[in-house]
Amino acid sequence: DAGITQSPRYKITETGRQVTLMCHQTWSHSYMFWYRQDLGHGLRLIYYSAAADITDKGEVPDGYVVSRSKTENFPLTLESATRSQTSVYFCASSDIFSGAQETQYFGPGTRLLVL
Amino acid sequence: RKEVEQDPGPFNVPEGATVAFNCTYSNSASQSFFWYRQDCRKEPKLLMSVYSSGNEDGRFTAQLNRASQYISLLIRDSKLSDSATYLCVVSPLKAAGNKLTFGGGTRVLVKP
Repeated sequence: DAGITQSPRYKITETGRQVTLMCHQTWSHSYMFWYRQDLGHGLRLIYYSAAADITDKGEVPDGYVVSRSKTENFPLTLESATRSQTSVYFCASSDIFSGAQETQYFGPGTRLLVL
Repeated sequence: RKEVEQDPGPFNVPEGATVAFNCTYSNSASQSFFWYRQDCRKEPKLLMSVYSSGNEDGRFTAQLNRASQYISLLIRDSKLSDSATYLCVVSPLKAAGNKLTFGGGTRVLVKP
């Protein structure tokens, strides 16, 4: 049972480059989320998706783009990376039909460094 | 003011002792409450949901005080493996896909 995976796990890029972080879940969960975690701020929601082709902004969406053409994938793109986007990025999923419907399951995270 | 506030710690706890800590939330409309655990450089994982009547899961007890808008977590008979950061999480909704708001975490270090 693969669960929820993220790739790459580590990424170094330069200011101004486009970067895409991948998230894949094998549970067919309806909901998927992207968070960033920074010291002093905790986890903050970037974007979320209720189903394929349905996405919405979270608390800190500026500079990020998401898409969800398939239920199992939810890529996050940094259109033009900035140093302030250096962070740890977590993808999560949850399912409206499961008994533990309020639980969000997190992927292992992607550590991104923007130089 | 942050929506969810926690004492960052660290709480240094002797093995076998009891430790308790709180978190406060500002949105009185919050409906769902959770404690997540996060090990160093790992992803958060659900520790337990917090219900109005309080609930217990083994050595862990969670309480909710709606009047004062705080939740608490108590760990009894602390184990070395309990060393982690504990994240307080609230949501305004009782439904899947609810947008969770995370506190900054309370770090607990259990020492022999």
